[in-house]
Amino acid sequence: AQKITQTQPGMFVQEKEAVTLDCTYDTSDQSYGLFWYKQPSSGEMIFLIYQGSYDEQNATEGRYSLNFQKARKSANLVISASQLGDSAMYFCAASSGTYKYIFGTGTRLKVLA
Amino acid sequence: GAVVSQHPSRVICKSGTSVKIECRSLDFQATTMFWYRQFPKQSLMLMATSNEGSKATYEQGVEKDKFLINHASLTLSTLTVTSAHPEDSSFYICSANRGYIQNTEAFFGQGTRLTVV
Repeated sequence: AQKITQTQPGMFVQEKEAVTLDCTYDTSDQSYGLFWYKQPSSGEMIFLIYQGSYDEQNATEGRYSLNFQKARKSANLVISASQLGDSAMYFCAASSGTYKYIFGTGTRLKVLA
Repeated sequence: GAVVSQHPSRVICKSGTSVKIECRSLDFQATTMFWYRQFPKQSLMLMATSNEGSKATYEQGVEKDKFLINHASLTLSTLTVTSAHPEDSSFYICSANRGYIQNTEAFFGQGTRLTVV
């Protein structure tokens, strides 16, 4: 069974600075996908970034990058140049072999002006 | 990009009544959709997998008779909360994936905030 662990219930970051949100995963599958989603207070889930288990390079999407360390089973999200609009809940998720997602408990990020 | 639409976004119902929530994929066909439940300040928990043309697959601990799922077409799945009680109050959100490539991003609906009074 898969398990996603996000150890930071809450994080603060100063506007324009970078922040790293931690995520570790536990799976015995060889092929899997790792995802990060942002959930603002409205509740919608906004896809941010994806990393495949066979991808050798870290994924990047604009200000988002995923620090993928396969041996450590970690998939940390790095947000560069934080903006006030980045304040939200962030969920790490994984899927393997199916479209079902297993989510972590989330990290609430607050960007300070 | 792909869009998944969920309706209604908010609903308040009386205890004992049933509520139907719709999840539509607007620009792609989805043979499989997923229903999640999220309690305040908690993570999303998968409730069931909605399969077009066949019975839904429920996760352990989810009452299939309380949470009826119907996936009658390739673009629509519905979740009906039957005989709702206050403890069913929660945020319900659906998702769907485009295509047949696994480990791809899911597109989520906007979610439905259900309040049972």
